[in-house]
Formats: sequence, C-alpha cells, structure tokens
Amino acid sequence: NAGVTQTPKFQVLKTGQSMTLQCAQDMNHEYMSWYRQDPGMGLRLIHYSVGAGITDQGEVPNGYNVSRSTTEDFPLRLLSAAPSQTSVYFCASRVQGSSYEQYFGPGTRLTVT
Amino acid sequence: GDSVTQMEGPVTLSEEAFLTINCTYTATGYPSLFWYVQYPGEGLQLLLKATKADDKGSNKGFEATYRKETTSFHLEKGSVQVSDSAVYFCALTRNSGNTPLVFGKGTRLSVIA
Repeated sequence: NAGVTQTPKFQVLKTGQSMTLQCAQDMNHEYMSWYRQDPGMGLRLIHYSVGAGITDQGEVPNGYNVSRSTTEDFPLRLLSAAPSQTSVYFCASRVQGSSYEQYFGPGTRLTVT
Repeated sequence: GDSVTQMEGPVTLSEEAFLTINCTYTATGYPSLFWYVQYPGEGLQLLLKATKADDKGSNKGFEATYRKETTSFHLEKGSVQVSDSAVYFCALTRNSGNTPLVFGKGTRLSVIA
C-alpha cells in the first residue's frame, strides 16, 4: 500500500494563478480531508468528504474548492491564488467513524508570491 | 465549538529527561482524544489515542490518560531520546457520526544529547 500520496511536494504560484493539489489513497477509505498548517496555528480543516459525491466545508474553506468523484481521489483546487494561501497542505483519510486513526500524506508546500 | 488547548513550546529537554506536554479540551459529550506526532519534513502520524474516560493510550514509551473530570489528556514519557524531537499535536473528535478532527496548535519538542 502506498497509503496517502500528494502531488506536487513543492509549488510556487503567482497571485491570481490557479492550480490543483492532488491527493490519492489506496486504502479504500471513505473519509478524506484537507488541512492547512501555518506556524503557530496548528492544523486547520479546509474541506472534508465522507464518500464519493459528498463534500462539506471545514473551518477555513474560502478560496478553495473540492470534489470527490471517486473513493480514491480528493483534489483541492485553488481558483485564484493569494499570498494568504501560502502554507503547507496535508491530505488525510480514514475509515468511516470518528474514533479511528487518520492517515496523513507527506504534504505540499505552497508559496504564493 | 469544540477546541483543544496545548502548552506552548518550544520545549527543550536533555536526553533521558521526563516529558509532560499538557493538553486540555472543550467538547460536548464524550469525545475521542488523540496525540499525533510530526517528524521533520513529514506528515502527521498517530502516536496514541483514548476513546472513553479513564482510558490510557500508550505507544513507544509515551502515555496519556483520558481525564474527564479535568478535561485533560496530558502526554508523558519517562525518558526522552533525541529521536523524539518532533512536533506533537493533541486532537479530539466527537464519537457521534463522522466528524472531523480538531487539533491543538502543536508543541515542538527538541531533545539534546
């Protein structure tokens, strides 16, 4: 099992550009989520999904879109990048049920200039 | 809403010292509690968890006990090693439904030889 994979590992964007951060898992987990990690802020939830075709907003959803067309993939789209979106982004997945372990990807470090 | 408060770091200890990282929470009902660890340049991984009051989670010499009366889940280790240097996150999730993890801000631990 590859677990949770994320691409790219690093990305630099100019303000106003768009891009998609990719996330995939091969564990057949129905629950997937995206977090951003900023110094002194811990991890904040952007969006999450409890299964294909179902997504919901987290704590900081503005400026980000998601969709879930398959169980395996959960891409995060930045429609018009802003410097405030400079961060490290983590994707995670788990089986259904809140008390179970979440598995995290290695992260994508995004810089918006 | 639900929240987690951790002691602020950074924490610097000598090898073989005793470690305590405090964590308290605010939540409705009876949440599940977790400690995740992030080694440099990596994603988060589960260190230990407890799903009900008075449960003790343990792993790799680390322990934490779910104390409902004090709403706490403090992380302890009797003798830290240089390899324990990392960022430690306390987190909770409600046991009902399929709710997201809520993280504390993280505590950076540095262990020096």
